[in-house]
Amino acid sequence: RKEVEQDPGPFNVPEGATVAFNCTYSNSASQSFFWYRQDCRKEPKLLMSVYSSGNEDGRFTAQLNRASQYISLLIRDSKLSDSATYLCVVNADRYSSASKIIFGSGTRLSIRP
Amino acid sequence: EPEVTQTPSHQVTQMGQEVILRCVPISNHLYFYWYRQILGQKVEFLVSFYNNEISEKSEIFDDQFSVERPDGSNFTLKIRSTKLEDSAMYFCASSESRLAGGPGANVLTFGAGSRLTVL
Repeated sequence: RKEVEQDPGPFNVPEGATVAFNCTYSNSASQSFFWYRQDCRKEPKLLMSVYSSGNEDGRFTAQLNRASQYISLLIRDSKLSDSATYLCVVNADRYSSASKIIFGSGTRLSIRP
Repeated sequence: EPEVTQTPSHQVTQMGQEVILRCVPISNHLYFYWYRQILGQKVEFLVSFYNNEISEKSEIFDDQFSVERPDGSNFTLKIRSTKLEDSAMYFCASSESRLAGGPGANVLTFGAGSRLTVL
């Protein structure tokens, strides 16, 4: 099983739709979780951290399921500007080993008018 | 909003040549990193740097690579003798403190990247 695994997509949805994607991780000791957004040929930018209780930021909701070892990202009322690749990032180490921060390969999302 | 700046944005070089990529981390950040992303692939960790020394490095970061903080602001990645497979986007990142796990963990702020093309 890959350390961090994402459906590569692409997810192609109409503007205004709700879309969700998951990311699974293999290390049950993983401590912190993030969603980053990466536009084509640009740098990753933090979208949101994922907390145990789940968290929401506007149209974006992130959930963590430790029992099943996955995190999810839900985007409501999708906008054309949401088109990007969404990277799942997992920090497997409580004691801050940068090498234990693992990036998923990303899920491509394309919003059509 | 403070940002990490990188130069050059794109460099084309011949195989075997030395390349230096430069980064200016966010001024109050203490931890610096280099990552690379080969086109179409995932972001991979190369090296982390703190207190003027390497904290960690990955298997990718072999003897051809080195990092330096020559002054109070720049953080550089040098590739001594480039290979074709070094062609990638190189991202510098910084964080305010250690990337500890757990709630409220510090996050990485990335620069816009330097695209290296080795011919």
